[in-house]
Amino acid sequence: AQTVTQSQPEMSVQEAETVTLSCTYDTSESDYYLFWYKQPPSRQMILVIRQEAYKQQNATENRFSVNFQKAAKSFSLKISDSQLGDAAMYFCAYRRFGAGSYQLTFGKGTKLSVIP
Amino acid sequence: DVKVTQSSRYLVKRTGEKVFLECVQDMDHENMFWYRQDPGLGLRLIYFSYDVKMKEKGDIPEGYSVSREKKERFSLILESASTNQTSMYLCASSLNSPLHFGNGTRLTVT
Repeated sequence: AQTVTQSQPEMSVQEAETVTLSCTYDTSESDYYLFWYKQPPSRQMILVIRQEAYKQQNATENRFSVNFQKAAKSFSLKISDSQLGDAAMYFCAYRRFGAGSYQLTFGKGTKLSVIP
Repeated sequence: DVKVTQSSRYLVKRTGEKVFLECVQDMDHENMFWYRQDPGLGLRLIYFSYDVKMKEKGDIPEGYSVSREKKERFSLILESASTNQTSMYLCASSLNSPLHFGNGTRLTVT
């Protein structure tokens, strides 16, 4: 079974600074998807960014980018120019490739605090 | 935008009660999921469904069942609620990828 590990239960960052959240995963598959979700205090899970394993280029979405290292099975999230609204729980997630495999396996989460 | 609606934001039930958590999505998604979220444990998959009347066990199905009589509705059932089922429950739906989540139901069993 696939596992997703987030080794940092909590992190903090100064407003306007950059922070990197770590995620590693274990799989024997060669094709798969990886995601970062954000859960603010409102509890609404929001997709931040996704990466297809067959794409070598790292995904970016505005201030959010990933460092995808397939051989190392590492998928870290970098948040640049941190804002107060970035304070939330962040979850890394894995999905197998292919039809009939739509469920996600999540890590335990990292709580990010943003210091004004 | 996809809307996934969970019928209750907060729910308090007594031990032994039968509990229904309802989830409705408005985008004709075939896939629906129930996750449980606990501090330090992340999200764990309870059950999922890829079609009407179809269900599959996730990682922690014990003590739960589900019902999917209509495509838009996926219900989680606690046959006899216990205190260790006090948790946040998140429903999600998808066409293929990614998942779209509801706002969660915080269930307390006393």
